[in-house]
Amino acid sequence: EIVLTQSPGTLSLSPGERATLSCRASQSVSSSYLAWYQQKPGQAPRLLIYGASSRATGIPDRFSGSGSGTDFTLTISRLEPEDFAVYYCQQYGSSPRWTFGQGTKVEIK
Amino acid sequence: EVQLVESGGGLVQPGGSLRLSCAASGFTFSSYWMSWVRQAPGKGLEWVANIKQDGSEKYYVDSVKGRFTISRDNAKNSLYLQMNSLRAEDTAVYYCARDRYTASTRGDYYYYYMDVWGKGTTVTVSS
Repeated sequence: EIVLTQSPGTLSLSPGERATLSCRASQSVSSSYLAWYQQKPGQAPRLLIYGASSRATGIPDRFSGSGSGTDFTLTISRLEPEDFAVYYCQQYGSSPRWTFGQGTKVEIK
Repeated sequence: EVQLVESGGGLVQPGGSLRLSCAASGFTFSSYWMSWVRQAPGKGLEWVANIKQDGSEKYYVDSVKGRFTISRDNAKNSLYLQMNSLRAEDTAVYYCARDRYTASTRGDYYYYYMDVWGKGTTVTVSS
């Protein structure tokens, strides 16, 4: 089973700052199997990035994804007030079929 | 509008059963794998189960194998999760989600992700 470890657990930043979120896999993951989601309190997760670096429909270009192998990164270039949320990475595997990281909370400093 | 709407959650005693439903609209339901994902209070996301378009393949996380059954009715555009022998640790918001497996531009590999999510239904297992 591949384990995804996200860091940091919490990121305290101000609007306008750059956010860099990490997702590390316990084994190599195909980039095409790696996705990122945003979740706000009381809401369902929303797809941001798939294939490690492709933005989903309607996602602003301040969100970008990168990485390969075991290390993946979600970057928010300039934080907007609506970006403060929890972010999850996810990978598709054999067993279990889908695995999520434990999440990174981006909070207002 | 593409939409998933869950229902069937509630309060149930340990050892009890519950059946969740997910109504799909705005897309050809029978063309997609579908998943259930849950989130315990204050915790992260956990994939529970998924099912192939025709129901011929089903996969589960180890913690629910033998207790939960995923199924679908393509004529009714609906996904289900039958939950038996419920435990306190099954307490969570349960989301249904659409699995996507899309080909790259050149068709040499596939992308895997979940692109549509319902708002969730809450299951509480407590005496």
